[in-house]
Amino acid sequence: EDKVVQSPLSLVVHEGDTVTLNCSYEVTNFRSLLWYKQEKKAPTFLFMLTSSGIEKKSGRLSSILDKKELFSILNITATQTGDSAVYLCAVLYYGNNRLAFGKGNQVVVIP
Amino acid sequence: GAGVSQSPSNKVTEKGKDVELRCDPISGHTALYWYRQSLGQGLEFLIYFQGNSAPDKSGLPSDRFSAERTGGSVSTLTIQRTQQEDSAVYLCASSLARGGGADGYTFGSGTRLTVV
Repeated sequence: EDKVVQSPLSLVVHEGDTVTLNCSYEVTNFRSLLWYKQEKKAPTFLFMLTSSGIEKKSGRLSSILDKKELFSILNITATQTGDSAVYLCAVLYYGNNRLAFGKGNQVVVIP
Repeated sequence: GAGVSQSPSNKVTEKGKDVELRCDPISGHTALYWYRQSLGQGLEFLIYFQGNSAPDKSGLPSDRFSAERTGGSVSTLTIQRTQQEDSAVYLCASSLARGGGADGYTFGSGTRLTVV
């Protein structure tokens, strides 16, 4: 059975801390891995990773994929209260173009 | 429109009633997905439409669930004889290209369905 597993499921940090979120996967027909941020209802797109070892960066957020060890990391540096959200990892399959999601990493940033 | 639009944003229905949820994707997006998110769970795939191809219905949990997409644009998800376990947020997403392209998928704000 294909799996997308995120850890930790939840964490609380103080403003200014660095957060590292993990997503491991065991899937067939892997195409890409995507990260989303979900604050209320609509997940918003952060990154799509297809190649190993190439870091994608957007402001204080960065992400990297390891296709040999089958995991991805999402880093958030100098966290702010606005970073409080659930971060969703999803794997895109070849063929049916379906996204398989993990349960998410709930991040709470306190002042 | 500028984004993916879903309606209603909230729906409370009595057990046994039918409900229809609507998704209006971004204009020109050929791919459309329905997902369901139950409390504390990840997003669960329901159905996928790609252009004029036959939809991938393999994620629909029972024959009480159906969906259609008219004219390659608006989609309606119908749940017949609703049960309490159908309570969830139903999210729709669309994308321009097969596989999401460089920007992934754009999600709507969802419909929160509560079956009482």
